[in-house]
Amino acid sequence: GAVVSQHPSRVICKSGTSVKIECRSLDFQATTMFWYRQFPKQSLMLMATSNEGSKATYEQGVEKDKFLINHASLTLSTLTVTSAHPEDSSFYICSARDPSIGETQYFGPGTRLLVL
Amino acid sequence: GQQLNQSPQSMFIQEGEDVSMNCTSSSIFNTWLWYKQDPGEGPVLLIALYKAGELTSNGRLTAQFGITRKDSFLNISASIPSDVGIYFCAGPLLGAQKLVFGQGTRLTINP
Repeated sequence: GAVVSQHPSRVICKSGTSVKIECRSLDFQATTMFWYRQFPKQSLMLMATSNEGSKATYEQGVEKDKFLINHASLTLSTLTVTSAHPEDSSFYICSARDPSIGETQYFGPGTRLLVL
Repeated sequence: GQQLNQSPQSMFIQEGEDVSMNCTSSSIFNTWLWYKQDPGEGPVLLIALYKAGELTSNGRLTAQFGITRKDSFLNISASIPSDVGIYFCAGPLLGAQKLVFGQGTRLTINP
């Protein structure tokens, strides 16, 4: 149980385009999902907390107009990187929390974004 | 942002050796989580601890939730090549949903 999927696993795009990443909880309902960014050899950096049916809460320094988050259902959250630039290239990971079993977060496999 | 203090940052061991890593914090946590991350993958939950003093095993892995609620350790016994990776401790801040993470322990095993 507690499986989280992400799609796509990797994407290469041209500078200026927008990229959408999907995060799905496959066998549980997640009222809250989280989006992280990870740089090489570093720990995970929380970008935003995504609550189903309401606006996402962004961490300090993360541009909400740049990283659009939508959590329209209890099993799906999307992160859209708008007008991507090479500095947005990174490893993006989502996680989901199953409220029925407490604070534990289950992570997706990650999405590698390369902006040319 | 706030982080957990995780040590050691890296370990180079021989196959078959036991491994021990720990996390400490100046704040109290009600939950301690240990994850393992392989290259190019998302973190995978190894052990979740919910009660002070709790000692939990998952195969060759054992983790404990410190009595003070400010620390936790993870032990791996009889290491094997597939144990290679980065191990993270994490915990939710009291009253918050988000997790804070340790800096990670990178485990390398020499065959």
